[in-house]
Amino acid sequence: DVKVTQSSRYLVKRTGEKVFLECVQDMDHENMFWYRQDPGLGLRLIYFSYDVKMKEKGDIPEGYSVSREKKERFSLILESASTNQTSMYLCASSLVGRWATQSSYNEQFFGPGTRLTVL
Amino acid sequence: KQEVTQIPAALSVPEGENLVLNCSFTDSAIYNLQWFRQDPGKGLTSLLLIQSSQREQTSGRLNASLDKSSGRSTLYIAASQPGDSATYLCAVSGNYGQNFVFGPGTRLSVLP
Repeated sequence: DVKVTQSSRYLVKRTGEKVFLECVQDMDHENMFWYRQDPGLGLRLIYFSYDVKMKEKGDIPEGYSVSREKKERFSLILESASTNQTSMYLCASSLVGRWATQSSYNEQFFGPGTRLTVL
Repeated sequence: KQEVTQIPAALSVPEGENLVLNCSFTDSAIYNLQWFRQDPGKGLTSLLLIQSSQREQTSGRLNASLDKSSGRSTLYIAASQPGDSATYLCAVSGNYGQNFVFGPGTRLSVLP
């Protein structure tokens, strides 16, 4: 079974702090994603990565950066946390994306989520 | 820009009923469509993935259909159980199949 893990289930930070959210997958997936989920706004894509050291902006990248130094690990960084970044953060991975020849390969698997509160 | 809607927003049914959840999308040029379930405060669990060339997929009591030309998918749940209570989300992926656009979800309650 695919396993996607996130470093924390709950996190409380103060405004202005630098925050790191870590995501690890154990199935050698090429694609990894960071979403945030807010009531009434649904899931929105922040960044995704289709290979080591590669990244692309999603719909709401402002205020965030990412790092993918190893294939299995994708980090989301809040350089200076603000209260409007209080949210549920979800990481996902899929086997093959950009170069997929069989569409089932981009089935997404999600981690348990990190509930971040910025005070 | 792709938009995904789900109707109804919430649904409450007695145990044992068969039910249908609906998902609509505006751009029919999709790569595939995926149905998820989400329990409160948890991540998403993949239920079914339908490729753009397929019409339906089945897993146990779940059956998902896809009609690309009309921009619709349905998730059929047979003989519903209280354990099926959750929010169900559909998501469609574009031409590269790299990322998905999600619907807002349908919150399902199955009453014992």
